[in-house]
Amino acid sequence: EAGVTQFPSHSVIEKGQTVTLRCDPISGHDNLYWYRRVMGKEIKFLLHFVKESKQDESGMPNNRFLAERTGGTYSTLKVQPAELEDSGVYFCASSKRFGGTGNSPLHFGNGTRLTVT
Amino acid sequence: AQSVTQLGSHVSVSEGALVLLRCNYSSSVPPYLFWYVQYPNQGLQLLLKYTSAATLVKGINGFEAEFKKSETSFHLTKPSAHMSDAAEYFCAVSEGETSYDKVIFGPGTSLSVIP
Repeated sequence: EAGVTQFPSHSVIEKGQTVTLRCDPISGHDNLYWYRRVMGKEIKFLLHFVKESKQDESGMPNNRFLAERTGGTYSTLKVQPAELEDSGVYFCASSKRFGGTGNSPLHFGNGTRLTVT
Repeated sequence: AQSVTQLGSHVSVSEGALVLLRCNYSSSVPPYLFWYVQYPNQGLQLLLKYTSAATLVKGINGFEAEFKKSETSFHLTKPSAHMSDAAEYFCAVSEGETSYDKVIFGPGTSLSVIP
């Protein structure tokens, strides 16, 4: 099966510009997550979709970040306007949802490296 | 809130030597614990997971980890390091009793293998 794919792999933008990251999860995976790793720090949870609904967005840093998952398939994460501290690697992950018995482990994409100058 | 600490941001071992990467967690409920590995320019790959079935968990590439509740530890080991093991390793814990809904990662340990 195809893995989690993320596009673009790298993005360099200027402060104040807008960037949109895309994630295509593994087919059939209802759970989709966004994580971020700022240089040298922990991988931080941003948010979690179950199908098209936001299950948990407690990790979103501020209202400059907007995530969508229309139709419950691919997801986009938009940063508008970008700030210097937004630089980092943005990972997307997906998993199957087994209802009350839990979920499958996370499958990660290769990440998008965002540099804001 | 759950959290994960990893002792040593960078570990170097000689090829053929024992690999030991340390992980301690805090959790108010029985946790799900994971080790992930990230090779350069790749995503995170699951090495192994603990889900309360057995305290000694075997994973891919010869790695294993032992869950010790009394020490709140989940250290990762491999008897003999290979050059291909050079990567960054992340210990992680899930929040939630029955699912992996929100995985909390440790800061990572970069492993170097010296020929």
